[in-house]
Amino acid sequence: GNSVTQMEGPVTLSEEAFLTINCTYTATGYPSLFWYVQYPGEGLQLLLKATKADDKGSNKGFEATYRKETTSFHLEKGSVQVSDSAVYFCALSDRNQGGKLIFGQGTELSVKP
Amino acid sequence: NAGVTQTPKFQVLKTGQSMTLQCAQDMNHEYMSWYRQDPGMGLRLIHYSVGAGITDQGEVPNGYNVSRSTTEDFPLRLLSAAPSQTSVYFCASSRGVGNYEQYFGPGTRLTVT
Repeated sequence: GNSVTQMEGPVTLSEEAFLTINCTYTATGYPSLFWYVQYPGEGLQLLLKATKADDKGSNKGFEATYRKETTSFHLEKGSVQVSDSAVYFCALSDRNQGGKLIFGQGTELSVKP
Repeated sequence: NAGVTQTPKFQVLKTGQSMTLQCAQDMNHEYMSWYRQDPGMGLRLIHYSVGAGITDQGEVPNGYNVSRSTTEDFPLRLLSAAPSQTSVYFCASSRGVGNYEQYFGPGTRLTVT
């Protein structure tokens, strides 16, 4: 079945450091890919998405490119801020499997001043 | 426009008790779903609904019931609470499945003793 695997956390960075959170997926069809973010004490909210191969999603300085050849959707940001401290979830939705969201386990990011 | 609301925010139950977690959305979304979030496991789908009167099971449906009598409301019922159901529960809604953004409620933290 379909699945999503993320790098384990927690990830601790200093402010203005470069961020990469790895995400790889397994899918039988052609899924849409998402990054959701969960700030402390809140529900999840969509950060960015990509719906087909080679698409790049971007928002708030974060980027991720849909790489079909490596089945990856790594999240990057050039310069993180303390306010980026949160848990980040990679997810996929495959119309061939009913379109339901399947999440990775989440990666906690902590940014220190 | 309140988005997705959930009540209660916190709940403690004794083993064997039953309760209903409430979820409502005011965005006229057809698709609604319930997830549970456990440490290191991401979010797992419990039940979902593609419209009023239509529900289906997700990945971890055992011990939970749902119904969808209106577009707005999607309550989750715990029939006989067990310690394994201690978790944070999130309700979400979207216009549909596939590449549509899902909007999440703030969550209900449930402890079963």
